[in-house]
Amino acid sequence: GAGVSQSPSNKVTEKGKDVELRCDPISGHTALYWYRQSLGQGLEFLIYFQGNSAPDKSGLPSDRFSAERTGGSVSTLTIQRTQQEDSAVYLCASSLSGIGEAFFGQGTRLTVV
Amino acid sequence: TQLLEQSPQFLSIQEGENLTVYCNSSSVFSSLQWYRQEPGEGPVLLVTVVTGGEVKKLKRLTFQFGDARKDSSLHITAAQPGDTGLYLCAALSNFGNEKLTFGTGTRLTIIP
Repeated sequence: GAGVSQSPSNKVTEKGKDVELRCDPISGHTALYWYRQSLGQGLEFLIYFQGNSAPDKSGLPSDRFSAERTGGSVSTLTIQRTQQEDSAVYLCASSLSGIGEAFFGQGTRLTVV
Repeated sequence: TQLLEQSPQFLSIQEGENLTVYCNSSSVFSSLQWYRQEPGEGPVLLVTVVTGGEVKKLKRLTFQFGDARKDSSLHITAAQPGDTGLYLCAALSNFGNEKLTFGTGTRLTIIP
């Protein structure tokens, strides 16, 4: 597809389980962001990948959260030992160089029960 | 840490009215973007402003970047129900870390 693709679109998991969220950015985009959005709220920055540079992990809320980007393309956000407060929509965005327009996926709605 | 404050947080007005929402920071930005997000979707870019004092118009929407590049406003004339959504400003710093930082958002509801 031509846009940013995220999977799954919805995920319901039990408290304490691990989850993996996937993001396929637009081909050729060197910058990739993960954000978290709670119901009715703005975007909370989680992590930023830019080319071959070390990722900016300053937004990750705890060590239960991690992300990787393989081959400069697909990214996976992993949440270990999920908690109810992790419930939110997780949005991925990519941009051509990091200083231009950010294109967003439709998000993964995570519900921890 | 850069902090982009948007105001008001919520705004509900009648169709046909005018409105302005604001995005403010104590930091200087190299550029600032405005996005609109509709329910169930990711944010979509409306405009990018890069020059202090710059004004851009997009149909009934007017965007302004402050002279000092620390603030911006979005003015909507004759609001329509289709303008309903979450409006987010986002900025890139002037200091080498080009991470895109989003504001707190303004949730706009236009009542028919």
